[in-house]
Order: sequence, then structure tokens, then C-alpha cells
Amino acid sequence: QITLKESGPTLVKPTQTLTLTCTFSGFSLSTSGVGVGWIRQPPGKALEWLALIYWDDDKRYSPSLKSRLTITKDTSKNQVVLTMTNMDPVDTATYYCAHITARVGFDYWGQGTLVTVSS
Amino acid sequence: DIQMTQSPSSVSASVGDRVTITCRASQGISSWLAWYQQKPGKAPKLLIYAASSLQSGVPSRFSGSGSGTDFTLTISSLQPEDFATYYCQQANSFLFTFGPGTKVDIK
Repeated sequence: QITLKESGPTLVKPTQTLTLTCTFSGFSLSTSGVGVGWIRQPPGKALEWLALIYWDDDKRYSPSLKSRLTITKDTSKNQVVLTMTNMDPVDTATYYCAHITARVGFDYWGQGTLVTVSS
Repeated sequence: DIQMTQSPSSVSASVGDRVTITCRASQGISSWLAWYQQKPGKAPKLLIYAASSLQSGVPSRFSGSGSGTDFTLTISSLQPEDFATYYCQQANSFLFTFGPGTKVDIK
């Protein structure tokens, strides 16, 4: 049974750096083809893909946010960490992590965590 | 960057109706397209991958078609649990983009 869960601060101040952790179970991020991605959704708006890391440490970033994002993995802890610098109120959103195999589709999702950016 | 558009942005339909949602990519993406269903307050659910492959456990009333730049999601007979927002997502070159969504609500 594959599960994922996001954790991190619920409130950050403008200009601060956000660090989110995705802790997963039921699969290994050392298995060929497997990846974990981050997707966010501002309140009432559409989904936006942010970043993805694959089993072989291949990292992909949204071109529009690439300069602000870093994704890493700790295979031994079954965790993926996303950092986003220079947070702004427009970054207020629910942040999801999700499992993917190759580029088939995000087939398992965490419950999401709402991050509010406000002073 | 590849941009995705969806039409319509919303549709009102009745139980039993056939519903078709269109997704268009700004450039060719072969068959690297997925469809998701999202209900309020919930994470998205993968319905279709590789444009036309049904995800395990998804009812057969959902189907996908298309390749290149134009894709469709069809719900053959709308059920009460299908009222939700639907998103397409492309995966060309291992970069991903979601469409703006189509809300299916009760007529």
C-alpha cells in the first residue's frame, strides 16, 4: 500500500524559505523508474507542477520556478524534501507530493498541506 | 514551455449524460497526457494515463483519446459521484504542465 504525507510549516513570512518534507511508504525511491513530485494548488485555482525527483537522482523543475526550487531525496528515510526560496503571498497554496512511475501519471498523492504566506 | 488549455471551463450536466472535455497542448506531446479528477478538499485522482489507458480501479465509463496536440476525456454516462473538476496534464520531455481545469456540475 503506497502512502505519502507532506509536512512542514503552515505559515511562512514573505522572503522566507519554505521547506517541505514528503514522507512515503509502500515503495522505494531506489526502484528503477520511480519518482516523487511536488504539485501545488492556490485556493480555488488550478494545479501547478513544481518539481520531480527520480530514482536515479534525475531532477526536473518547473521552468517558471526553477530558480527558487531545490528538490532532494533521502532514500534511507523514504523522504523527499522541497525547498522554495523567497516566498511571497502568491505562493499561498496547498502543496501536494505524489508518486509517479516514469511519466505515466501521478498515481498516488498525499493529503496535501496548506501553506500560507503572510507577515 | 508547453501550455495546456481545456474546454469548456465548466459544464452543467445531468446524471446519465455523456460528457466530453477537450484538452489542447501548445505543441505536440505524442501521447504523454494524463487526466485527473478532483473533488473539493481532496487530492486529485489519476483517471487516464498515456492519453487512453485507464488507471486501475477507474470505472470504464471514463475514456481518453487523442495524440499530438488534441485530446479528449469522455464520461459515457455521468454518475452522481462524477461531479468534480477534471484536469489534463502533459509530460513531454519529463516536464509537466496541468491544464486550467473543467468543472462538471449538476444541471
